[in-house]
Amino acid sequence: QSALTQPASVSGSPGQSITISCTGTSSDVGAYNYVSWYQQHPGKAPKLLIYDVSKWPSGVSNRFSGSKSGNTASLTISGLQAEDEADYYCSSYTISSTHVFGTGTKVTVL
Amino acid sequence: EVRLVESGGGLIQPGGSLRLSCTASGFTVNTNYMTWVRQAPGKGLEWVSVIQTGGSTYYADSVKGRFTISRDNSKNTLYLQMNSLRAEDTAVYYCARDIPGGAGLGDWGQGTLVTVSS
Repeated sequence: QSALTQPASVSGSPGQSITISCTGTSSDVGAYNYVSWYQQHPGKAPKLLIYDVSKWPSGVSNRFSGSKSGNTASLTISGLQAEDEADYYCSSYTISSTHVFGTGTKVTVL
Repeated sequence: EVRLVESGGGLIQPGGSLRLSCTASGFTVNTNYMTWVRQAPGKGLEWVSVIQTGGSTYYADSVKGRFTISRDNSKNTLYLQMNSLRAEDTAVYYCARDIPGGAGLGDWGQGTLVTVSS
């Protein structure tokens, strides 16, 4: 159950688009279309942004979008805003019926 | 409105036991997959355990054999029994509800802090 690999940090200017990658293996990300993404502001509980690779929960902005290719999933944030500055985590279901989170990515809005 | 409220955290010595509770409102715990996630201070999220609607349970390797997830339908409450606690179990523990019909944690509690230290 090794953590999925994410870049430690990603930055962008307001209005730009950024992409965060999430690399796993054929036992997790590559096995199912069950990747989810979370946003976490300091001191707060995580918030679900994307589930089942590319679906939006009710109330989440479509500026956030998800995709997957092979063992790597991606989260794209379009039209970057100041309030998007936060930590982001991916997660995947695994062949062992467990889940695994990514290492986390700190997004900085320049 | 869906609400999850964790309780039971605190300071515990290594080797000790603690039971966390997660009281749910706005839905019934036994008709949803319910999950525990933890976050050590300054660290990332770690998936801990899930109980499925049918009662099947699964655990992270790091807690298998020491932690037990369960639920009480009459109290609409989720539990995490933690035994043989170690310093590395120190974390904020969150309970979460899986989004119905999908794989993602759509509702979260505020978390409860467990500190394992002598």
